[in-house]
Amino acid sequence: SQELEQSPQSLIVQEGKNLTINCTSSKTLYGLYWYKQKYGEGLIFLMMLQKGGEEKSHEKITAKLDEKKQQSSLHITASQPSHAGIYLCGADDNNNDMRFGAGTRLTVKP
Amino acid sequence: ETGVTQSPTHLIKTRGQQVTLRCSSQSGHNTVSWYQQALGQGPQFIFQYYREEENGRGNFPPRFSGLQFPNYSSELNVNALELDDSALYLCASSSPTSVQETQYFGPGTRLLVL
Repeated sequence: SQELEQSPQSLIVQEGKNLTINCTSSKTLYGLYWYKQKYGEGLIFLMMLQKGGEEKSHEKITAKLDEKKQQSSLHITASQPSHAGIYLCGADDNNNDMRFGAGTRLTVKP
Repeated sequence: ETGVTQSPTHLIKTRGQQVTLRCSSQSGHNTVSWYQQALGQGPQFIFQYYREEENGRGNFPPRFSGLQFPNYSSELNVNALELDDSALYLCASSSPTSVQETQYFGPGTRLLVL
C-alpha cells in the first residue's frame, strides 16, 4: 500500500505570511488530492493533481505535483485566518480506496 | 456544502453494543466510501459500495459491514463495539465517470464508545 508522509505536522504563521505544506509518497501517485478539514468536520475538496509537473491554483492556494509524481506541495499566499484548519493529502491507490496522510494543522494568527 | 449528509452527528455507545450510521450521497453519485478517522490521524478507508455491491475493503474486521440502497444512500454497521472504535466516521460519494473521480465528503458522525 502507499504511505503518505505530510510535513510539517503543524504550522503556526502570522496573517499575511506565505506557507508551504508537503506530501511525499512511497510510490508513484496516480491521483493526488488535497482536502481541508475544520476540526471534527468533514473534508472539503481543494484540488486534484494527476500529471507530473501539474500545477493548479484556487484563489490563494496553489498545489503542485512533481515530475516524478511522488511529491506534492500546497502553497498558500498571504495567509488569512480563514485558511486555518487541517490540510490532508490523499492518493488513489487505483484499488478503489484512498490513502491519506496524517494531516498538517495550520494556525493563522491575526 | 457537498450535498453529502450523514446521521446522526454524534453518538455515544457502550462496549459490546451495535451501531448503524447513515449516509446520503450527492445527487448523481452512485459510489459511497466509508472512512474512520481517529483523533489526530488521517481518514482510514473502511470500504466502498458501488451500485449496491461492496467494491473494495480496507483492513477492517468483519464486524464492520455496510449496505447500499437503490437510491445510493448507504449504511455502516459496527457490531460488538470496542473502545478503539471511537472516532469520526466519514462517508464520501463519487461518480466513476472518469478514471480519477473526486470524492466529496459528508460532515461525519462522531462516535464515542464507553
